[in-house]
Amino acid sequence: EAQVTQNPRYLITVTGKKLTVTCSQNMNHEYMSWYRQDPGLGLRQIYYSMNVEVTDKGDVPEGYKVSRKEKRNFPLILESPSPNQTSLYFCASKEDRWTSPLHFGNGTRLTVT
Amino acid sequence: GNSVTQMEGPVTLSEEAFLTINCTYTATGYPSLFWYVQYPGEGLQLLLKATKADDKGSNKGFEATYRKETTSFHLEKGSVQVSDSAVYFCALSDTGANSKLTFGKGITLSVRP
Repeated sequence: EAQVTQNPRYLITVTGKKLTVTCSQNMNHEYMSWYRQDPGLGLRQIYYSMNVEVTDKGDVPEGYKVSRKEKRNFPLILESPSPNQTSLYFCASKEDRWTSPLHFGNGTRLTVT
Repeated sequence: GNSVTQMEGPVTLSEEAFLTINCTYTATGYPSLFWYVQYPGEGLQLLLKATKADDKGSNKGFEATYRKETTSFHLEKGSVQVSDSAVYFCALSDTGANSKLTFGKGITLSVRP
């Protein structure tokens, strides 16, 4: 089954404790991206990657890092999480055409206390 | 920059009622337009898309027409069901290198039996 898999689904952590949210897709998509969803703000792009070893900032990259060492994986790293990063995070992937739709994972709900 | 504006919600309808959710956009060039649906506890799923002016996207009884003259992509369904209760997002795809999706804020639809 074609899918984007994120882990974990839920995560509660404390300020400053480094964490990684994993994302993997099995559709051989070149393009991958991370979004965060907040009430009243909709979805905002954090980082994206056009292909292996190619990443770039989205609209709200501060406090986040990503890497793309393999085509299928695109982890999101929070080196020193803060409470304002409490949010619902989505990983997504698509074919490398602007007309292609994004395929989303089921989300990771992160709480930073 | 690009932007998507959705009508304010939430929307509550009775089963079999007619649904219209308004969406207008601002973009340079000729973006692709999408409607996504998010069921509780899940990621976003593509509902329908249109990639050029006057295209009509349709799926599961939902329709939307790409209207370049009014920069709109309104979602309609002739007869809603309880199972249509979800959050609906309008989005456009950048034609640039990122080809990121810009989302509206989403609208919650509740359908009563």
